[in-house]
Order: sequence, then C-alpha cells, then structure tokens
Amino acid sequence: DAKTTQPPSMDCAEGRAANLPCNHSTISGNEYVYWYRQIHSQGPQYIIHGLKNNETNEMASLIITEDRKSSTLILPHATLRDTAVYYCIVRQNTGNQFYFGTGTSLTVIP
Amino acid sequence: NAGVTQTPKFRVLKTGQSMTLLCAQDMNHEYMYWYRQDPGMGLRLIHYSVGEGTTAKGEVPDGYNVSRLKKQNFLLGLESAAPSQTSVYFCASRTSASYEQYFGPGTRLTVT
Repeated sequence: DAKTTQPPSMDCAEGRAANLPCNHSTISGNEYVYWYRQIHSQGPQYIIHGLKNNETNEMASLIITEDRKSSTLILPHATLRDTAVYYCIVRQNTGNQFYFGTGTSLTVIP
Repeated sequence: NAGVTQTPKFRVLKTGQSMTLLCAQDMNHEYMYWYRQDPGMGLRLIHYSVGEGTTAKGEVPDGYNVSRLKKQNFLLGLESAAPSQTSVYFCASRTSASYEQYFGPGTRLTVT
C-alpha cells in the first residue's frame, strides 16, 4: 500500500502562499493523490485531487512531480480560516479505503 | 440538503453498556463510511458499505458492528463499550462516480 509522509506542522503568514509538501514514493501508476483538511474538530473537507497533471480549483492548486513521488498543495493567499490539519492521501487500488495518516497542522499567523 | 448528519453529537457511556450511532445522508450516495479519530491522530476506518445491505471491515473493526438496511442510513453499534472506544466518530459518504467523501460533524463518545 502506498503511504504518505508529511511534516507534522507548518506556519504561514496571512496573505502569503502556503505550500504543503507530501511524499508518496511508493505510489502506483493508477493511484490518485487526494488532499483533505480538518478545521478544529469538524469533519474533514475535500480540497482537491490529481493523478499526473497539476490541478487547480477555487480552493487550492495541486502540483505533482513528474515521477509522481511527491506533491505540493498550494493555498495561494492563506487566511486565518485556513488554519487546519491537512491530510495527503493516496487512494488504494481497491478504491474503497482511505488512509488519512496524521497530516500537517498548518497555522496561519496574522 | 442537510448533507451528512450524525446522531447523537455527544454521549457518555459506562463500560459494558451498548449504544448505536446513526449516520444519515440525503445525497443518495452509495458508499458510506465510519471512522474514529483519537486525540492527535488521523482518522482510522472502522467499517464501510458499498451499498444497501452490504458492509465490510476497515482498519479497526474489532468491538463494532454496522448495518445498512436503508441506503440513506449507516448504523454503528457498540455491543459492550470499553474505555478504549473513547473517541470522536465520523461518518462519511460518497457516490460511486467520485472518491470525494462528504463528512458529518462527528459524535464525541466517552466511555468511563
């Protein structure tokens, strides 16, 4: 099973871009990278996902390296409301289980 | 749409008591999941269901049972609660066409 490695915590100044890295060196060719976040004690919220190409939506951008062994989630203009735990997840081949790991705790500083 | 709702929001049980947590979704999703989250840890999958009448074990199924008698509801049962089951329980659902999961607000359970 592909696993992910994320730094336990990061800080980012309000208004600046937050770049959250994720390592998934054992990822298989047909496995997607998903990002979720969990604000305080709420249920996790989907952010974005991708397979090979870079992806962008209204919340964030996802940059996946060419060898697919790592990726970066970019929040272009971080706000205080982006303070949360961010989970990088690789979807298993069977597609029915997600392994969330412990994520990166992002603190946006005023 | 209410999305995914969970009942109750909070509960305190004594060791050995039983209870059922209810998850309901009004999005006509085929897949439903139960996770637990312990302090400082990520979510761990307990059980999941790929459709009405079907269930499967996740990463940490011991001590729990589930049922999916109706498509919109997914029940998580604790037959004999233990202090190790003190946790926050999250339910989630998704369609068969997307792996984006929609989460409920969680149930905070304390077993004394």
